[in-house]
Amino acid sequence: DSGVTQTPKHLITATGQRVTLRCSPRSGDLSVYWYQQSLDQGLQFLIQYYNGEERAKGNILERFSAQQFPDLHSELNLSSLELGDSALYFCASGRQGLDEQYFGPGTRLTVT
Amino acid sequence: QKEVEQDPGPLSVPEGAIVSLNCTYSNSAFQYFMWYRQYSRKGPELLMYTYSSGNKEDGRFTAQVDKSSKYISLFIRDSQPSDSATYLCAMSASGGSYIPTFGRGTSLIVHP
Repeated sequence: DSGVTQTPKHLITATGQRVTLRCSPRSGDLSVYWYQQSLDQGLQFLIQYYNGEERAKGNILERFSAQQFPDLHSELNLSSLELGDSALYFCASGRQGLDEQYFGPGTRLTVT
Repeated sequence: QKEVEQDPGPLSVPEGAIVSLNCTYSNSAFQYFMWYRQYSRKGPELLMYTYSSGNKEDGRFTAQVDKSSKYISLFIRDSQPSDSATYLCAMSASGGSYIPTFGRGTSLIVHP
């Protein structure tokens, strides 16, 4: 158990809908990272937050957004969902200045 | 050419074999190298973390970095069926960039 929690575990929704994925980092970690993992693309970095502020952006679509709250939990919002958004979404947390990241169990999103 | 190349496998070995998993990379700025293990439908789990060139050993696992060849390896001694998983390499540059670039992962199957 990495100490990172993610909810929900599974999500099935229809195209055009909007969903919110939630992540709670390990105790003491200020950084939260979001990744998308699909069979054809591997693990793709989406966005990083550090202590409530956006720190780095990767291959995140404009339809996706995220935020980190004062209690350090983070939410990833996915809107106008398309079939191609079906994937595993992972949250990871870590300490500032260190490369090691600790991953949560993921949310499996299925868009039908 | 992708920044990090990793053979997807699957690599199938008998129990007790020595396993060698490898990644090549093109970005000479990479200084930090990591190996993650990911069981099916689970989040990646950090296995090994090394800085710059050289070897690092942890139990049955040895990570090796050859920066001159831009080549990293993970060796697993006395492989067990419980080692069956996907192994992802990850690496990042120094100088404040702490978003690792991940390989696509190699699927390892250790059969009894």
